[in-house]
Amino acid sequence: KAGVTQTPRYLIKTRGQQVTLSCSPISGHRSVSWYQQTPGQGLQFLFEYFSETQRNKGNFPGRFSGRQFSNSRSEMNVSTLELGDSALYLCASSFSAVQETQYFGPGTRLLVL
Amino acid sequence: QQQVKQSPQSLIVQKGGISIINCAYENTAFDYFPWYQQFPGKGPALLIAIRPDVSEKKEGRFTISFNKSAKQFSLHIMDSQPGDSATYFCAASKAGTASKLTFGTGTRLQVTL
Repeated sequence: KAGVTQTPRYLIKTRGQQVTLSCSPISGHRSVSWYQQTPGQGLQFLFEYFSETQRNKGNFPGRFSGRQFSNSRSEMNVSTLELGDSALYLCASSFSAVQETQYFGPGTRLLVL
Repeated sequence: QQQVKQSPQSLIVQKGGISIINCAYENTAFDYFPWYQQFPGKGPALLIAIRPDVSEKKEGRFTISFNKSAKQFSLHIMDSQPGDSATYFCAASKAGTASKLTFGTGTRLQVTL
């Protein structure tokens, strides 16, 4: 069974631009969560989607948004990029919203110049 | 507010030795405590997890010890191997929100020959 895939793997943007990252969960998994990983703040929860509905949201500004499609694939969008948005963005999937084992993808490394 | 405190930040252990990483949490609503292992360029991978109704869980060379009254839990890696060299994260989540993990700051483990 294929793991969680994230595209693109690397991305360079400039301040003020917007970016969309994509995540394909493991086949059959319906819950997708997004995390931001930085050296300074560590791993921080962004949001979680289950059956196309946002179930949980972390403490990030409204510039960070996401969505989930009917096939469980998810996208996250960051508008008006700031230098501090440079990070590794990780997607994790699990079978259900309450199943505890989350499987992480390799991440998308975003650099904002 | 850092809800999960992890120590040490880095750890060097000789091959065959015991690696010990500690975490402390503040929120008594947490009821699921996983440990993740992350290699460079990869997403975190679930290593072992525990719930507060048991004080210890062992899987191979990896053991979690859990002290509910002290709100602390630790990871012990027995017979540490060079292949164990990675960054380890403890995490916690509340009942019903298993996908919303609060992570510790990470411990970089180096196992030397």
